[in-house]
Amino acid sequence: DSGVTQTPKHLITATGQRVTLRCSPRSGDLSVYWYQQSLDQGLQFLIQYYNGEERAKGNILERFSAQQFPDLHSELNLSSLELGDSALYFCASSVNPPGAGDTQYFGPGTRLTVL
Amino acid sequence: AQSVTQPDIHITVSEGASLELRCNYSYGATPYLFWYVQSPGQGLQLLLKYFSGDTLVQGIKGFEAEFKRSQSSFNLRKPSVHWSDAAEYFCASKIIFGSGTRLSIRP
Repeated sequence: DSGVTQTPKHLITATGQRVTLRCSPRSGDLSVYWYQQSLDQGLQFLIQYYNGEERAKGNILERFSAQQFPDLHSELNLSSLELGDSALYFCASSVNPPGAGDTQYFGPGTRLTVL
Repeated sequence: AQSVTQPDIHITVSEGASLELRCNYSYGATPYLFWYVQSPGQGLQLLLKYFSGDTLVQGIKGFEAEFKRSQSSFNLRKPSVHWSDAAEYFCASKIIFGSGTRLSIRP
């Protein structure tokens, strides 16, 4: 158990819908990362927050957004869902700000299925 | 651009045999390299990491990896694999992940 929690574990929805994935980092970790893992794209970095502020952005679609709240939990919002958005979404957390050599601890993931 | 390459998509080894999974990185400065393992339907578990210092790093579950700057490599090794090692292995440099190597174990 990494100490990172993600809810829900599974999510099934329809195209065009909007969903919210939630992540609680390890106690004491200030950085939260979001990743998408799909069969054709592998593990892709989406976005990173540090202490409530967006610090790095990867291959995140405009239909996707995220935020980190004052209690440091984070939410990833996916809207206008398409079949291709079906994937495993991972959250990871770490102690240090971006740029530092830091270890990320991964949550168990949320499996999103878009029908 | 920074990249991490895992040339082997799938490797099968016999139980008790030695293992080496390859990883090459492309990065100018200190690469901060990691190996993770992922069992089916599970999250990623950190096996080991290299930031600086001794180029041979020891990890959990009997794994080790050697950083070779001249070859831009960070290969993962284990002297004797167990059936429970069957999983997907990912090499990463910070937020850049390789495509993974699936390890199967032959009884």
